[in-house]
Amino acid sequence: KAGVTQTPRYLIKTRGQQVTLSCSPISGHRSVSWYQQTPGQGLQFLFEYFSETQRNKGNFPGRFSGRQFSNSRSEMNVSTLELGDSALYLCASSSGLAGSDTQYFGPGTRLTVL
Amino acid sequence: GENVEQHPSTLSVQEGDSAVIKCTYSDSASNYFPWYKQELGKGPQLIIDIRSNVGEKKDQRIAVTLNKTAKHFSLHITETQPEDSAVYFCAASSNSGYALNFGKGTSLLVTP
Repeated sequence: KAGVTQTPRYLIKTRGQQVTLSCSPISGHRSVSWYQQTPGQGLQFLFEYFSETQRNKGNFPGRFSGRQFSNSRSEMNVSTLELGDSALYLCASSSGLAGSDTQYFGPGTRLTVL
Repeated sequence: GENVEQHPSTLSVQEGDSAVIKCTYSDSASNYFPWYKQELGKGPQLIIDIRSNVGEKKDQRIAVTLNKTAKHFSLHITETQPEDSAVYFCAASSNSGYALNFGKGTSLLVTP
């Protein structure tokens, strides 16, 4: 089975721009979660989608948004980029049948904001 | 919300020795505790997990123990090898959360 894939792997943007990241979950998985990883804050939960619906959201500003498509693929968008948004953005997939379901991570998208 | 604390932040051991990483959690509703290994330039890889109805789980050189009363769980790696060098993260979640709450990570270095 193919693992979680994320595109692009690397991205460089400037302050004020917006960015869209994509995640394809493991085949058969219906839940996609997004996490931000930075050296200072570690791994922080952004949001989780299941069957195209957001079920949970972390403590991030409204500039961070996401969506999920009928094929379970997900995108996250960050608008009006700030320097502090530079991070590794990780996507994780699971069956989504329980909140304590096993999550499998993709390789991440490294976003650099200049 | 859930708060997960992880210690130590760095750990250096000699090849063949054992390594132990400890985590505590605050939310008594947490019932799932995975451990991830992250190598440079890669996403976290699940290495072992435990659920709250089990006190201990072992997979070859890796074991995890859980003490629900004290709200702490630990990762034990025996017979360490240089390829075990990586950052290890503990996490906790509950049935209703759909989110993993991570510790800050432990950078493990295994020297030959």
